[in-house]
Amino acid sequence: VQLVQSGAEVKNPGESLKISCKGSGHRLTSTWIGWVRQMPGKGLEWVAIIYPGDSESRYHPSFQGHVTVSADKSINTAYLQWSSLRASDTAMYYCCVTGVGPVDIWGQGTMVIVSS
Amino acid sequence: DIQMTQFPSSLSASVGDRVTITCRASQDVRDNLGWYQQRPGTAPKRLIYGASSLQSGVPSRFSGSVSGTEFTLTISSLQPEDFATYYCLQYNSYPRTFGQGTKVEIK
Repeated sequence: VQLVQSGAEVKNPGESLKISCKGSGHRLTSTWIGWVRQMPGKGLEWVAIIYPGDSESRYHPSFQGHVTVSADKSINTAYLQWSSLRASDTAMYYCCVTGVGPVDIWGQGTMVIVSS
Repeated sequence: DIQMTQFPSSLSASVGDRVTITCRASQDVRDNLGWYQQRPGTAPKRLIYGASSLQSGVPSRFSGSVSGTEFTLTISSLQPEDFATYYCLQYNSYPRTFGQGTKVEIK
């Protein structure tokens, strides 16, 4: 049971990006998938969460309107996307299944670098 | 939003020491709190869920407790592999919120 994230990205400011998180051995439709940001040398920040079964989502107010979470349950994959990246989006992004109950699964992280 | 105040932000300790880290919630989160360990260059890993339940496979030297809105992670006898950064996370309400982290360093 694991979450496998897409590879590192290097983008210019203003570009769009969509990173992915694919469930292996675990049906994502029956659980909430969270996204967590970690800027270089900094702590963990909770970004958003989605329930792929019905695409219900919640966002941290700091990220609302700047990122979008989505899911494609047919391929057991969740996504985090930006329509216009900023330099301050440079960070490692983790997807995870964690919260109430004993399940705790994290992806390996996707490094996003935004630089001109 | 619920604020999680975690302290200390860092500490120095020796192998074998007893270490405690605290998170205080700004509102009631019941027992919906987890403790996570993150080693450099790796994804976080949960040690404790439900405030005091030990995650499967985690050594018993780790324990969690709660008193009201104050949560404590205790490492009874620090081992070399425990030098890492620790975070609390409340998952009682949205948005979920992490504590600021505690870096445990070698004295």
